[in-house]
Amino acid sequence: DADVTQTPRNRITKTGKRIMLECSQTKGHDRMYWYRQDPGLGLRLIYYSFDVKDINKGEISDGYSVSRQAQAKFSLSLESAIPNQTALYFCATCMGGGSEQFFGPGTRLTVL
Amino acid sequence: GQQVMQIPQYQHVQEGEDFTTYCNSSTTLSNIQWYKQRPGGHPVFLIQLVKSGEVKKQKRLTFQFGEAKKNSSLHITATQTTVVGTYFCAGRGGGGSNYKLTFGKGTLLTVNP
Repeated sequence: DADVTQTPRNRITKTGKRIMLECSQTKGHDRMYWYRQDPGLGLRLIYYSFDVKDINKGEISDGYSVSRQAQAKFSLSLESAIPNQTALYFCATCMGGGSEQFFGPGTRLTVL
Repeated sequence: GQQVMQIPQYQHVQEGEDFTTYCNSSTTLSNIQWYKQRPGGHPVFLIQLVKSGEVKKQKRLTFQFGEAKKNSSLHITATQTTVVGTYFCAGRGGGGSNYKLTFGKGTLLTVNP
């Protein structure tokens, strides 16, 4: 089984709808991250969490919110989706202390 | 804020040719990581460099961290079709381990067999 899982893997929705992307990990890591990837723009950080009570905004948090329900679960919500939020979304985890990040398989979101 | 610039954005090579991608940070880094993303896949960690001037090798891949800890490079010798994908550098700022990673935009490498 994969250590970092994301659901759904693909989602098509309409403008104005509320969408939740979920991430779960079995690695026991404290730190979790949400990135979005757009062609030519690389990976941009949306939100990150160092533990259940510590949530921080990344460089492009507007239009997004997150919830860290447990150490193993970190959800990303789009309260009212818009077409320019069409992207590939990745969740990642790491142990901390400058260690490597482990990425989930990604969620491809299309907002019509 | 911290910025990490990566060039080139794209590189197409003939199989057997060498390839290099470069990263430059606007600030001094505590460490830099490199990731590879295969087409349709997710980023996978390759290596981390921590020390000034550090050089590490993985088979035909050579990673360097600059003396000033503001730049890094990845060099692949004698490319094969197995190395195709997007290579990202990701820098972590100084001041401790709590700083987040800032990713470069990546270099997409394609290899003509």
